[in-house]
Amino acid sequence: EPEVTQTPSHQVTQMGQEVILRCVPISNHLYFYWYRQILGQKVEFLVSFYNNEISEKSEIFDDQFSVERPDGSNFTLKIRSTKLEDSAMYFCATQVNRASYEQYFGPGTRLTVT
Amino acid sequence: DQQVKQNSPSLSVQEGRISILNCDYTNSMFDYFLWYKKYPAEGPTFLISISSIKDKNEDGRFTVFLNKSAKHLSLHIVPSQPGDSAVYFCAASQGGSEKLVFGKGTKLTVNP
Repeated sequence: EPEVTQTPSHQVTQMGQEVILRCVPISNHLYFYWYRQILGQKVEFLVSFYNNEISEKSEIFDDQFSVERPDGSNFTLKIRSTKLEDSAMYFCATQVNRASYEQYFGPGTRLTVT
Repeated sequence: DQQVKQNSPSLSVQEGRISILNCDYTNSMFDYFLWYKKYPAEGPTFLISISSIKDKNEDGRFTVFLNKSAKHLSLHIVPSQPGDSAVYFCAASQGGSEKLVFGKGTKLTVNP
């Protein structure tokens, strides 16, 4: 069964450094998402991406965040200058099309900012 | 901002019995609801969903019930198995928006 994959599984970085989290979506899926879950809190929506552009983003997704699909397969989330409060699990999710609401999640990347 | 609420942080049931997980929502514009299961160190796994035009959807041991007037949905697992032990998240989406809004989750423990 096709799966969403994410790399790395764990990333430790120092405050102020840039990080790039990577996701390989399910191949025929057209909609891509990033969510995050701070320890003990809800899973929160960050951004949705369709047809090579952002279609929706949350208040959390400020100028420090960016997404792209550089090579038609990987879907990346970049945080330009990490803060302590960016420490969280980051989940990539994909959806086959707009008519199907089910989103399929990857295993997540645990980001630790020190 | 708690548009989706799961008021029970945990639930414990015996193997073979029914597990009932509850979820309430406040946004009447939500029109699609989903349940996800999550094991530690893994991503949420899609379980079952329901559109707001229905009041029940069944898939094997899993049934989701939707009561729109009460803004309440529930997930029934019958019979419960130890492998069902996980955190269950309720999520909702609103037509025109692609994002899912999640509840805080309920940790289900099924005891052998």
